[in-house]
Amino acid sequence: AQSVTQLGSHVSVSEGALVLLRCNYSSSVPPYLFWYVQYPNQGLQLLLKYTTGATLVKGINGFEAEFKKSETSFHLTKPSAHMSDAAEYFCAVSGTGRRALTFGSGTRLQVQP
Amino acid sequence: ETGVTQTPRHLVMGMTNKKSLKCEQHLGHNAMYWYKQSAKKPLELMFVYNFKEQTENNSVPSRFSPECPNSSHLFLHLHTLQPEDSALYLCASSQASGSMNEQFFGPGTRLTVL
Repeated sequence: AQSVTQLGSHVSVSEGALVLLRCNYSSSVPPYLFWYVQYPNQGLQLLLKYTTGATLVKGINGFEAEFKKSETSFHLTKPSAHMSDAAEYFCAVSGTGRRALTFGSGTRLQVQP
Repeated sequence: ETGVTQTPRHLVMGMTNKKSLKCEQHLGHNAMYWYKQSAKKPLELMFVYNFKEQTENNSVPSRFSPECPNSSHLFLHLHTLQPEDSALYLCASSQASGSMNEQFFGPGTRLTVL
């Protein structure tokens, strides 16, 4: 079985500051990991994904995440926050052969001017 | 239309009404999903369909009845709902084969049960 823990339901940063959203997972098989973003009144949009290969994954809108197997983590970062990054972010894990994703509870990112 | 579409976007219904939510995907996928997103709760998987066959039902009450007539369309039939069923209902699709399982989401239907 898989599970995902997102530390911090709310994160607030200043515009231009580093964004760090934390995600830890547990999985009995090599995981596939995803970050999704949800803007108000919209569905979820894929930011980036890790399947195999390079552990540093780059996504859209300047976001990236690093898969660290030893720490069972997949934290999302962006060097410089923009006002348009304010949204809710979800980390998700999928194990081999499983059809559905297991989502974390989400982290709401606020960006202060 | 591209991607995953959902109609209606907003729905208000009484507890005795019967209504249906519709989802359509234009991505050539073979797996479709219903999720429930409530305030302050994690995203809850409700149903999974692969090649029109239901492969997962996460103990969803029978007042929610899914239907998948083909790989492009997914419905969620609603009857005698409760106020606690008010939520955003999200539809998603993915390729059925392979385990990468990247899911594409629709914009959701905001359901309010009075």
